[in-house]
Order: sequence, then C-alpha cells, then structure tokens
Amino acid sequence: DADVTQTPRNRITKTGKRIMLECSQTKGHDRMYWYRQDPGLGLRLIYYSFDVKDINKGEISDGYSVSRQAQAKFSLSLESAIPNQTALYFCATSDFGGGPGTQYFGPGTRLLVL
Amino acid sequence: LAKTTQPISMDSYEGQEVNITCSHNNIATNDYITWYQQFPSQGPRFIIQGYKTKVTNEVASLFIPADRKSSTLSLPRVSLSDTAVYYCLVGVVWGGGNKLTFGTGTQLKVEL
Repeated sequence: DADVTQTPRNRITKTGKRIMLECSQTKGHDRMYWYRQDPGLGLRLIYYSFDVKDINKGEISDGYSVSRQAQAKFSLSLESAIPNQTALYFCATSDFGGGPGTQYFGPGTRLLVL
Repeated sequence: LAKTTQPISMDSYEGQEVNITCSHNNIATNDYITWYQQFPSQGPRFIIQGYKTKVTNEVASLFIPADRKSSTLSLPRVSLSDTAVYYCLVGVVWGGGNKLTFGTGTQLKVEL
C-alpha cells in the first residue's frame, strides 16, 4: 500500500462548486503539505501543517482552505472553484531531520474546473 | 524566498554523465538544497539533499560551492529511465514562515 494516498485521483467540477481533496498518510509524519502544479510553473506551495493544531499559508493560499483532521489526514478545499484552479494537486509529508526533511509525495489529484 | 533558476531542458545519451545546475542567488543561511525527480503523472521523488560542499549517495552527487549561490546535481551514467523532470528546492520549514521554493524544473531527456 502507498504511504501517501490522495482521493480522488481525478475530478471534474463546475465553476462555483465546492470541492474537497483528501490526503492520508501512513508514514507517521507530523508535517503535511499541499502543492499545486501547473505546466511551466513547477510546484507551488498552497498550505502546510506541522501538526494537528498548526496550519500555515503557503505561496498561493488565496481561494483555498485546509483542514488537518488528524495527524494522518490533511484536506484541501476549494470553496468556490474557478477555472484557473484547474491543475494537478499534490499532497506531501515530511519528517524533521534537522533540515527541511525529505518530502514524500502522493500520486496527485488532477482537477478540471469547467 | 530564495528563488531558483534551472535550465528548462537538457538532452543526453545513455551512459553519459549529466550535470544540472540550479542558481539560487539569495539563498538564506539556514536554507538547504534538495533535488527531486518527477515522472509524468507521479509525485516528485527525493534524490539528494545538501547544505554545503559535496554530497553523494547511491544515485547522484550534489556539488555546492562555498558561496552556496548555485548547486549542481550530477547523475552518473544516465539511462533511458532517468528521463524525467528534475526540481531544485531551496529552503527549510522550521517554525513559522513559508520558506520552501521549488524551481521550475529541468526536463531531462535521455536517448540511446
């Protein structure tokens, strides 16, 4: 079984709809992240969490919210989806190794907003 | 944020050594340099990480000069399966503040 799982893997929605992307991990890591990937722009950090009580905005948090329901679960919500949120979304986890740690990425969720 | 610059693409042949350089002129004292590999439709995978000088593991080497304003990922004897996008990440996530920056990635294509 994969250590970091994301659901759904693919999602098509309409403008204005609320959707949630879910991430679960079995690595026992405290730190979790949500990234967005667009062609030609690499990965950009949306939100990150150090533990259940900690939520931090990343580079591009506008239009997104997150919930850390448990150590193993970190959800990303689009309250009112818009077409320019069409992208590939990745969840990641990391341990703390003195540096930034090693991040372990999930398989991604491909989102299309019509 | 420490911004990074990498070549958009590189081509190589099987068996050759490939060096990919990342520029990060405003790297901070506490920042580490990490490289990831990504195949299509998969999440990035950790390759190597360093702070200064040289780091080597079973798949790659990372060279960091004294001023730390750039770094070079070295892949020895590449194969077709090394065709992927390689990302340079500069930063650290300690305490508060968003200090993680991914580069735009370098598409490496390895041919026979």
